[in-house]
Amino acid sequence: AQKITQTQPGMFVQEKEAVTLDCTYDTSDPSYGLFWYKQPSSGEMIFLIYQGSYDQQNATEGRYSLNFQKARKSANLVISASQLGDSAMYFCAMREGPGGYQKVTFGTGTKLQVIP
Amino acid sequence: GAGVSQSPRYKVAKRGQDVALRCDPISGHVSLFWYQQALGQGPEFLTYFQNEAQLDKSGLPSDRFFAERPEGSVSTLKIQRTQQEDSAVYLCASSLRWTGPGETQYFGPGTRLLVL
Repeated sequence: AQKITQTQPGMFVQEKEAVTLDCTYDTSDPSYGLFWYKQPSSGEMIFLIYQGSYDQQNATEGRYSLNFQKARKSANLVISASQLGDSAMYFCAMREGPGGYQKVTFGTGTKLQVIP
Repeated sequence: GAGVSQSPRYKVAKRGQDVALRCDPISGHVSLFWYQQALGQGPEFLTYFQNEAQLDKSGLPSDRFFAERPEGSVSTLKIQRTQQEDSAVYLCASSLRWTGPGETQYFGPGTRLLVL
């Protein structure tokens, strides 16, 4: 079974509009972390936002927010006020375990294109 | 400050040739990870180092793949007798500590390997 599922291979959004990128995950571990990364065409993975499984509030970082619904095992990324520079691949990722074991599992990504 | 650097950025190899890919993590980072990213896919875990100790190499696809980090800083991923299926982007990431699901990994720009 896929640990991280991103069902949207591609998304379009109008500049200045908000967009939601979907991510669902599968784990039986009570302690885990969820991440979103941005990968522009240059190839570098850029860390955007983190949500811990025990965090009570949804994470926010500037224009990025994570809509964390633990019971549904979803961790959607919301980008507000889209900019042309937001066009990139976006990856959802999960790290499981209380500590020590560090493997991170990535989803297949969503390609976001911002339209002027 | 300096991020994770990788060299070379691009490598073209003839099938059967050996290659060595270098990663310079962020100074002081304890953990180092190697990932393989095929075209259109998310990164796949290859191996993990905590300082100089290779704690997990379960993701290495074959015994042709070998990684080392002898002094706990710079790491080299070596691929012997390259095959066409080894063509991918090889990403290196580092993180400051070794515990916690929330530990953020910082990625380098990757090495794009093409095997002809």
